[in-house]
Amino acid sequence: DQQVKQNSPSLSVQEGRISILNCDYTNSMFDYFLWYKKYPAEGPTFLISISSIKDKNEDGRFTVFLNKCAKHLSLHIVPSQPGDSAVYFCAARRSSNTGKLIFGQGTTLQVKP
Amino acid sequence: DSGVTQTPKHLITATGQRVTLRCSPRSGDLSVYWYQQSLDQGLQFLIQYYNGEERAKGNILERFSAQQFPDLHSELNLSSLELGDSALYFCASSAMTRAGTDTQYFGPGTRLTVL
Repeated sequence: DQQVKQNSPSLSVQEGRISILNCDYTNSMFDYFLWYKKYPAEGPTFLISISSIKDKNEDGRFTVFLNKCAKHLSLHIVPSQPGDSAVYFCAARRSSNTGKLIFGQGTTLQVKP
Repeated sequence: DSGVTQTPKHLITATGQRVTLRCSPRSGDLSVYWYQQSLDQGLQFLIQYYNGEERAKGNILERFSAQQFPDLHSELNLSSLELGDSALYFCASSAMTRAGTDTQYFGPGTRLTVL
């Protein structure tokens, strides 16, 4: 049962344009969501997160939007840069004392110069 | 550099064998998590330890076990290895405060190949 889904395996955008990565979840108990970026041969790197009490969180070029009704979140990168080319993972968590993360399958972003 | 270290970086072994993967968390982090990433898959949670105690378990096979030592480093033991165990194994650590919203920082992973 895939509780967190990233339905687009890949995305290609032009440098300077907006990249929008999408993520859907099924478990309404999730209340904290994160995005990680992963380069080849490296571990995932934390990018940005959002609590379910918010619908938007912004950090520089990165903004995460959360739509609880639709159980959908998205990551916007503006403007996209070639160095943003990586695999992006969406993850979700229930508030508890475990911190266990449920990950989506990832979306490979390619930003073309 | 996340501050989380994992050894070895690569491991090649044969079916039926046993291996041990090691993880050192960031300085001060009490919680360690292990995840498995198989080919073209997302990361699957295996197990979590907090200050030496098992805190949560995912879909970890009975052939796999883990522990966290007093110095907070952790080891993941994989035994009776099968071809399907070939994967990337990541360790992550977090401070794990009561809020439970601490960011998990990941190590570079160990690539296990079972032949």
